[in-house]
Amino acid sequence: EAQVTQNPRYLITVTGKKLTVTCSQNMNHEYMSWYRQDPGLGLRQIYYSMNVEVTDKGDVPEGYKVSRKEKRNFPLILESPSPNQTSLYFCASSPQVLAYEQYFGPGTRLTVT
Amino acid sequence: AQKITQTQPGMFVQEKEAVTLDCTYDTSDQSYGLFWYKQPSSGEMIFLIYQGSYDEQNATEGRYSLNFQKARKSANLVISASQLGDSAMYFCAMRRAQKLVFGQGTRLTINP
Repeated sequence: EAQVTQNPRYLITVTGKKLTVTCSQNMNHEYMSWYRQDPGLGLRQIYYSMNVEVTDKGDVPEGYKVSRKEKRNFPLILESPSPNQTSLYFCASSPQVLAYEQYFGPGTRLTVT
Repeated sequence: AQKITQTQPGMFVQEKEAVTLDCTYDTSDQSYGLFWYKQPSSGEMIFLIYQGSYDEQNATEGRYSLNFQKARKSANLVISASQLGDSAMYFCAMRRAQKLVFGQGTRLTINP
């Protein structure tokens, strides 16, 4: 089944404790992206990757890191999480950047206390 | 800076009625794409419809159509014959170059 998977789905952590949210797609897509969703703000793009080893900042990259060592994986790293990073996070992929449809993962709900 | 605005935080519609969800955008680019996504209470993001800036015809997908008015910079979603299962959050989004920008969303509730 073609899909984007994220792990974990739910995470409660404490301020300053490094964490990684994994994202994997099995559709051989070139383009991958991370978003955070907050009430009243919609989804905001954190980082995106056009292909392996090519990543760039979205609109809200502060406090996040990403890497794209393999085409299928695009982990999101929070080196020192803070409470303002409490949010719902989505990973998405598409065949290429100009594709008209992005495939979203199921979301990861992160709480930082 | 590019921006997407959805002015209706919430809408309530009777089942079987048509509903229009508003979306306006701001860009100086000539080439861009406009999307609508549905997010039911279960949380997943479901792609509904796409309109390219050079497309002359309004996009349609089943009960969904996109009313694209380029000069007014609006891309409203029209759902015909609404169903209870249409109750969800709806997001308008614009693709510019490699980025995707979302509006704040509209929560649609369909009443029986």
